[in-house]
Amino acid sequence: QQQVKQSPQSLIVQKGGISIINCAYENTAFDYFPWYQQFPGKGPALLIAIRPDVSEKKEGRFTISFNKSAKQFSLHIMDSQPGDSATYFCAASRVNQFYFGTGTSLTVIP
Amino acid sequence: DVKVTQSSRYLVKRTGEKVFLECVQDMDHENMFWYRQDPGLGLRLIYFSYDVKMKEKGDIPEGYSVSREKKERFSLILESASTNQTSMYLCASSRNRDHRETQYFGPGTRLLVL
Repeated sequence: QQQVKQSPQSLIVQKGGISIINCAYENTAFDYFPWYQQFPGKGPALLIAIRPDVSEKKEGRFTISFNKSAKQFSLHIMDSQPGDSATYFCAASRVNQFYFGTGTSLTVIP
Repeated sequence: DVKVTQSSRYLVKRTGEKVFLECVQDMDHENMFWYRQDPGLGLRLIYFSYDVKMKEKGDIPEGYSVSREKKERFSLILESASTNQTSMYLCASSRNRDHRETQYFGPGTRLLVL
């Protein structure tokens, strides 16, 4: 059973547009929600993370929106650039438990 | 910068072989992890270790074992490789046992079992 459900599987966005990736979870005990970015041939790297006591976190062009009651969180990439083309994974964790989503392949076309 | 290195980028093994995947981190991190990454399934945790000689099962430990004899090194062992263990294997480390610590990943080992 997938603990963290991620959509869409793939996304194509025009340069300058907004990319939105969504994730949902079931276990209300999760208390940390990071997003990882992975380029081809590389391991994932932390992009941004949020705790459930806040509804939004912004770092540059990247924003996480968190809806605790709906058990959903999303990544917004503003002014998307070709260099943002990568696979993005959401994740959820609690003590001794770590779960990743299935990944979203983002392509930003010039 | 944290550096996590994995012994091989690509590995081809035969069914039934014993396979060792090695991971080394250079930042004195306490926690180390092994994941496998498969298309459509994302990353799934196999085992993790929060201290030397300690290990905890992740989501999919069956068919795998691990060894952590030194703090900087975490090995994943496939006792008898099977074709369904063909996958990308990712090692990661984090500073301490706090699950909110950033995980730093190695580049991965792509294993093909024939």
